[in-house]
Amino acid sequence: QAGLTQPPSVSKGLRQTATLTCTGNSNNVGNQGAAWLQQHQGHPPKLLSYRNGNRPSGISERFSASRSGDTASLTITALQPEDEADYYCSAWDSSLSTWLFGGGTKLTVL
Amino acid sequence: HVQLVQSGPEVKKPGASVKVSCKTSGFTFTNYYIQWVRQAPGQGLEWMGLVYPGGGTTTYAQKFQGRVTMTWDTSTSTVYMELSSLRSEDTAIYYCAREDDATDYWGQGTLVTVSS
Repeated sequence: QAGLTQPPSVSKGLRQTATLTCTGNSNNVGNQGAAWLQQHQGHPPKLLSYRNGNRPSGISERFSASRSGDTASLTITALQPEDEADYYCSAWDSSLSTWLFGGGTKLTVL
Repeated sequence: HVQLVQSGPEVKKPGASVKVSCKTSGFTFTNYYIQWVRQAPGQGLEWMGLVYPGGGTTTYAQKFQGRVTMTWDTSTSTVYMELSSLRSEDTAIYYCAREDDATDYWGQGTLVTVSS
C-alpha cells in the first residue's frame, strides 16, 4: 500500500534550521501537497501547515512548508527547545481515496 | 471557538466493541468532514476514516472495513466511532479531528485499552 516516507529522526542545534521531508507519489503529495502536524508527548497533534502551504492562525513564521514534485518539506528556522517534538505529514491519496500519514520524524534540538 | 470533546477512557476485553463519541461546537457541523485517527503506544498516526454529515457519507480505511462504523447525530453535533471485534493491537488513543483541507482542530483523544 502507498505510504508517505519521513526520516525517523533529525537532530539540529539551537537556533539552527531544520528541514524535514515527506516523500509520496503523484497520487498524493505530488497531486495536492501535504499538511504538516506537530505533536508533543502526551498531546494531540497540532496543525502547522495546510496542504497549500498556508499556516493556520497563530503558527509562527519560523515554520514554512513547500513542495517539489512528490516531496514535501517543512523548514523550521531559529530552532527553539520547544520545537523538539514529533512531526507528521499527511496527504489525501486520490487513487486509494484515503488519507495517509507519514511515519513521523522525531526532531531533537541539541 | 472550535472545540471537539471526546468521551472518556475505555477498557475492553478482546472480542468486545467500543464506541467513542466526539462532541463538536463552534462551527457549522454539516459543513465539515470529521476524521478519526488512532495512535498506538509509542507509534505514529493511523487514519481510520471520515464522515461528512452534510453529505451523509462515510469513508473507511481499507484496514478497518467491516470492523468500524462511524455515525453522527446532527441534533447534538456529535460524531461516533464504533470499533468491533477488539484485539490487543487496538489498544491506542483514538482522536477525532475536523478537516478543512487538513485536520485543523483535534479532540483531546480517548484511550482505549484492550486487555483480558
